[in-house]
Amino acid sequence: SQQGEEDPQALSIQEGENATMNCSYKTSINNLQWYRQNSGRGLVHLILIRSNEREKHSGRLRVTLDTSKKSSSLLITASRAADTASYFCATDPRPPQGGSEKLVFGKGTKLTVNP
Amino acid sequence: DTGVSQDPRHKITKRGQNVTFRCDPISEHNRLYWYRQTLGQGPEFLTYFQNEAQLEKSRLLSDRFSAERPKGSFSTLEIQRTEQGDSAMYLCASSLGGGSYGYTFGSGTRLTVV
Repeated sequence: SQQGEEDPQALSIQEGENATMNCSYKTSINNLQWYRQNSGRGLVHLILIRSNEREKHSGRLRVTLDTSKKSSSLLITASRAADTASYFCATDPRPPQGGSEKLVFGKGTKLTVNP
Repeated sequence: DTGVSQDPRHKITKRGQNVTFRCDPISEHNRLYWYRQTLGQGPEFLTYFQNEAQLEKSRLLSDRFSAERPKGSFSTLEIQRTEQGDSAMYLCASSLGGGSYGYTFGSGTRLTVV
């Protein structure tokens, strides 16, 4: 079963605007990761945030994690048309559900950046 | 090393036929994962190897599905007696593991059962 739930399911913005996607999950985690998927392709790892971290940056990406609320957000600043893709959060659950480093993915947010 | 390779990219098969997919992970990665993704959904875990040992299988992996990773290198996923419900993208990923690394995914094999 999928643990993460991304919100919104779809997001359409203009180039240059910021895009914010949220993820909620259900169990305790070791870490949370965000991935991007272009249509019909494999997933690309964007960023990993550990359960003891609250915020992480990578280029135009900013990820926050609130373990008390079991939620995370991904912010893409100054978006570009090339950012158009689906974005998935994935959690590495702690035992008993996890422990095998098996990631559990949400359903994703489909981001469209209009030129 | 150019990343995770999957073969074939696309496979169309008739219902009832057997199919086999191959995944070549990044050579330094000892963890290898198979996921299945249907349209509009996120990837769903199927099975996982650490080196040549298959450590976990999802309940999604019925007895028609079998995966191997001989010698801890490439992996194969076989589906016997395919059904239309098996139509999906089959994704392979590899990782260094240890909870500090993300996965590197291949481009996937899209299976269509007609």
